[in-house]
Amino acid sequence: EVQLVESGGGLIQPGGSLRLSCAASGVTVTSNEMSWVRQAPGKGLEWVSVLYSGGGTYYADSVKGRFTISRDTSKNTLYLQMSSLRAEDTAVYYCARLRGFGMDVWGQGTTVTVSS
Amino acid sequence: QTVVTQEPSFSVSPGGTVTLTCGLSSGSVSTTYYPSWYQQTPGQAPRTLIYSTNTRSSGVPDRFSGSILGNKAALTITGAQADDESDYYCVLYVGSGIWVFGGGTKLTVL
Repeated sequence: EVQLVESGGGLIQPGGSLRLSCAASGVTVTSNEMSWVRQAPGKGLEWVSVLYSGGGTYYADSVKGRFTISRDTSKNTLYLQMSSLRAEDTAVYYCARLRGFGMDVWGQGTTVTVSS
Repeated sequence: QTVVTQEPSFSVSPGGTVTLTCGLSSGSVSTTYYPSWYQQTPGQAPRTLIYSTNTRSSGVPDRFSGSILGNKAALTITGAQADDESDYYCVLYVGSGIWVFGGGTKLTVL
């Protein structure tokens, strides 16, 4: 069974940095396209970033230059390094495996709150 | 700036059929956008229903189907049940490694 478990969320001050993790089981992060999606309180889903199996990375304009997606093969874990955080980055962050250009397996999410 | 459009809300009677749509503010949705659909209830992670236009995700009943209708992607729910009452989101792959979600449709079953 494929399972994704996010962690690393918390309360962070504006301008701060945080690293989210997504531990995978039943799936190898290096062999799959993996993505981060977020959802601000009371709002809809927003695609954030993708890491292709071949290593290519892409970002939504709202996070480009501030967020970095990466993976650790030995830990079978996907990461999202977030810096220069803003209040509007407050959201539940989900990792997801892509299949057929859609997200087919989701984690349970981790909450990031950016506030002073 | 690509904007993906969805009906803000929709209602269906129990046992009825409803079709939710997913469009583009400019242009037509085709299979090359690989539309996919997700169901979400409050406080829960999204559940994948459909990907690549019309492929049902594992465990999704065949009451849910995806298609292209005219210039939009569509999610059709037949035999609506009370627990289909949820938010439904579509996402389109717009190319160059970028995906864009629609704003979601709140479906009421009553």
